[in-house]
Amino acid sequence: KAGVTQTPRYLIKTRGQQVTLSCSPISGHRSVSWYQQTPGQGLQFLFEYFSETQRNKGNFPGRFSGRQFSNSRSEMNVSTLELGDSALYLCASSPAGGPADTQYFGPGTRLTVL
Amino acid sequence: DQQVKQNSPSLSVQEGRISILNCDYTNSMFDYFLWYKKYPAEGPTFLISISSIKDKNEDGRFTVFLNKSAKHLSLHIVPSQPGDSAVYFCAASELDTDKLIFGTGTRLQVFP
Repeated sequence: KAGVTQTPRYLIKTRGQQVTLSCSPISGHRSVSWYQQTPGQGLQFLFEYFSETQRNKGNFPGRFSGRQFSNSRSEMNVSTLELGDSALYLCASSPAGGPADTQYFGPGTRLTVL
Repeated sequence: DQQVKQNSPSLSVQEGRISILNCDYTNSMFDYFLWYKKYPAEGPTFLISISSIKDKNEDGRFTVFLNKSAKHLSLHIVPSQPGDSAVYFCAASELDTDKLIFGTGTRLQVFP
């Protein structure tokens, strides 16, 4: 079974631009969560989608948004990029949002904002 | 406010010895705790977990201990192997949620 895939793997943007990241979960998984990893803060929860609905949300500004499609693929959008948005963005999928240890992570998208 | 803390950013251990990674948390509503291992350029990989109703869970060379009164958990790796060299994250969640709160990670280096 293919794992979680994220595209693109690397991205360079400039301040003020917007960016869209994509995540394809493991086949059959309906829950997708997004995390931001930075050196000083570790992994921070952004949001979780289940059956096309946002079910949980972390403490990030409204510039960070996401959505999930009927095939469970998810996209994350960041508008008006800031230097501090440079990070590794990870998505994780799980079958039905059950016990936390069923989350499987993708390799991440490395975003650099110049 | 960091609800899950890993106060040691790095740890160096000799092969064959025990590695002990520590994690503290502040939210008493956390009821599930996990450890993830992360290699460079890869996403975190689930290692072991423990429910708040237990104080110990073992899986091969890996054992997680939970002290609820102290709001502290630890991961023991015995014996440590060079392939264990990675960044280890502890994470916590509240009941029936996929929202994981991660610590900042501890980089473990196991040397021959």
